[in-house]
Amino acid sequence: AQSVTQLGSHVSVSEGALVLLRCNYSSSVPPYLFWYVQYPNQGLQLLLKYTTGATLVKGINGFEAEFKKSETSFHLTKPSAHMSDAAEYFCAVGSGTYKYIFGTGTRLKVLA
Amino acid sequence: GAVVSQHPSWVICKSGTSVKIECRSLDFQATTMFWYRQFPKQSLMLMATSNEGSKATYEQGVEKDKFLINHASLTLSTLTVTSAHPEDSSFYICSALTGRVNEQFFGPGTRLTVL
Repeated sequence: AQSVTQLGSHVSVSEGALVLLRCNYSSSVPPYLFWYVQYPNQGLQLLLKYTTGATLVKGINGFEAEFKKSETSFHLTKPSAHMSDAAEYFCAVGSGTYKYIFGTGTRLKVLA
Repeated sequence: GAVVSQHPSWVICKSGTSVKIECRSLDFQATTMFWYRQFPKQSLMLMATSNEGSKATYEQGVEKDKFLINHASLTLSTLTVTSAHPEDSSFYICSALTGRVNEQFFGPGTRLTVL
């Protein structure tokens, strides 16, 4: 069985500050891990993914995430927040069956 | 590449009517498509897995007679909400697998409002 926990349903940061969105997972098999962003009334856009190989994954728009097996974590970071980063972020875990389990989401607010 | 479209993007219907939502893979063939629903300010919940040419596999608690899924071709899957009621109002999102990479590609979603 797989599950995802996103700590913090709402996160606020100042423009230019570090963004840190937390994601912990549980999986009985080697996981595939994903971060998606969703803007209001839109579908999901993939930010980055981890399947195998390098544990530090770089994605679009300056985001990156590090797969830490010992901590069962896949936290999303960005060094400097922009106003355009304000959105809902979802962490998801998958496996060879390709079924994804989504976290409950974190709404990021960027303060001017 | 790997673009998924949905039609319509939003629909309003009367209670008791049926609504069909289309999900298309525009530039690839998708042997597997997924249907999700998302309530306001909540996460995506997988409803069913749709494989081309076979019956859909529904998640526990999803009424297969209410949410009819047809995957008639490698580029089209449809979700029909039968006898819709206000509690069916939601954001429905589909996704598709290309079969070549470990990633689902998501459509833009369909907002259904049942009056």
